[in-house]
Amino acid sequence: DAKTTQPTSMDCAEGRAANLPCNHSTISGNEYVYWYRQIHSQGPQYIIHGLKNNETNEMASLIITEDRKSSTLILPHATLRDTAVYYCIAFDRGSTLGRLYFGRGTQLTVWP
Amino acid sequence: GAGVSQTPSNKVTEKGKYVELRCDPISGHTALYWYRQSLGQGPEFLIYFQGTGAADDSGLPNDRFFAVRPEGSVSTLKIQRTERGDSAVYLCASSLQGAEGYTFGSGTRLTVV
Repeated sequence: DAKTTQPTSMDCAEGRAANLPCNHSTISGNEYVYWYRQIHSQGPQYIIHGLKNNETNEMASLIITEDRKSSTLILPHATLRDTAVYYCIAFDRGSTLGRLYFGRGTQLTVWP
Repeated sequence: GAGVSQTPSNKVTEKGKYVELRCDPISGHTALYWYRQSLGQGPEFLIYFQGTGAADDSGLPNDRFFAVRPEGSVSTLKIQRTERGDSAVYLCASSLQGAEGYTFGSGTRLTVV
């Protein structure tokens, strides 16, 4: 699976949009971009995924560049409960192997 | 149950002892995964079960680590002759439909003293 690169940490004011970047310049055509987050002392939680098109769900939006070499996860109105480590993962859904490569992720801190 | 359950939530053991960590996946999920997370790191893959069989055990660090899933539901991760370096949070996840369907448990924090 392609390696992803994320900033170590970011912060955001409560109520503002949090934009978390991810670089995946070696991503292959079969690999989706997945985002998970991990709140302290909990297991990772699925947020969203996409292949080419931008995606939106009740939690977040995912913007993928046209060349697919980078993406941005957007939390439109960050709350204190969004403080967590966010992981960007490239994953081939067609693979018979189920593993996800998490990396170190981005620690997002939302402050009041 | 509603989620993935892992027991115990915390385990302290002495160096050289044997430990078992249990994972109860979401009912009906055929895929089950074990990950290990050290402080400040992301989760690292250990083993993946599809049904009762280990489809990929290439993440197990050495032969002291073993995992089973005899009836295709509950899984047990077994660690022999524990070492201080085994101290970590051990996470279990189950899935029905690929990576977007991964549901993780809260993990077992293993401390080897």
